[in-house]
Amino acid sequence: RKEVEQDPGPFNVPEGATVAFNCTYSNSASQSFFWYRQDCRKEPKLLMSVYSSGNEDGRFTAQLNRASQYISLLIRDSKLSDSATYLCVMGLPYTGNQFYFGTGTSLTVIP
Amino acid sequence: EPEVTQTPSHQVTQMGQEVILRCVPISNHLYFYWYRQILGQKVEFLVSFYNNEISEKSEIFDDQFSVERPDGSNFTLKIRSTKLEDSAMYFCASSEGGRNYEQYFGPGTRLTVT
Repeated sequence: RKEVEQDPGPFNVPEGATVAFNCTYSNSASQSFFWYRQDCRKEPKLLMSVYSSGNEDGRFTAQLNRASQYISLLIRDSKLSDSATYLCVMGLPYTGNQFYFGTGTSLTVIP
Repeated sequence: EPEVTQTPSHQVTQMGQEVILRCVPISNHLYFYWYRQILGQKVEFLVSFYNNEISEKSEIFDDQFSVERPDGSNFTLKIRSTKLEDSAMYFCASSEGGRNYEQYFGPGTRLTVT
């Protein structure tokens, strides 16, 4: 059973476009959710935490829908530097805070 | 900005040899983790460590693996007898708190077992 599922893409979008990624999770006990980005052969870097009320950081908006068990990430006004793999991450409350990672969604922003 | 550091960046070893991967977590963080990522696959949890003991480990983390915090700054992962399938990128991470806290990842050690 996959704990976290993402559409692997790839998503190829022009500069300035808006792009959205979704991620579903299987464990309803999950309490913490995050989006990380990973550049090729580099470490995951925290992009943003995802809160029940939704949160925004500049061009990035993350939302959580507990009823449907999915989280989303919206990127507005895409930049070339947004090209990366976006990882959906979930934490469970009763474990040693281990994170479950999705396989990632690949984004390429084209000039 | 404080960051997690890892050494070496790349380690090549022969099957059956022991390797130690080193990490220096962010200084005021209390929770430490090891993850691995086989090329082309997702990041997988290995172990979490708090208050000088393992708090959780995955089924990947078998008897060949051990972790240690030998002093106030280092956090190490030892693989006793490496196998070909241990070839992967190993990431150390740390967090300020436990549940619901963000984890910050080091740059990784690429382990190649020949």
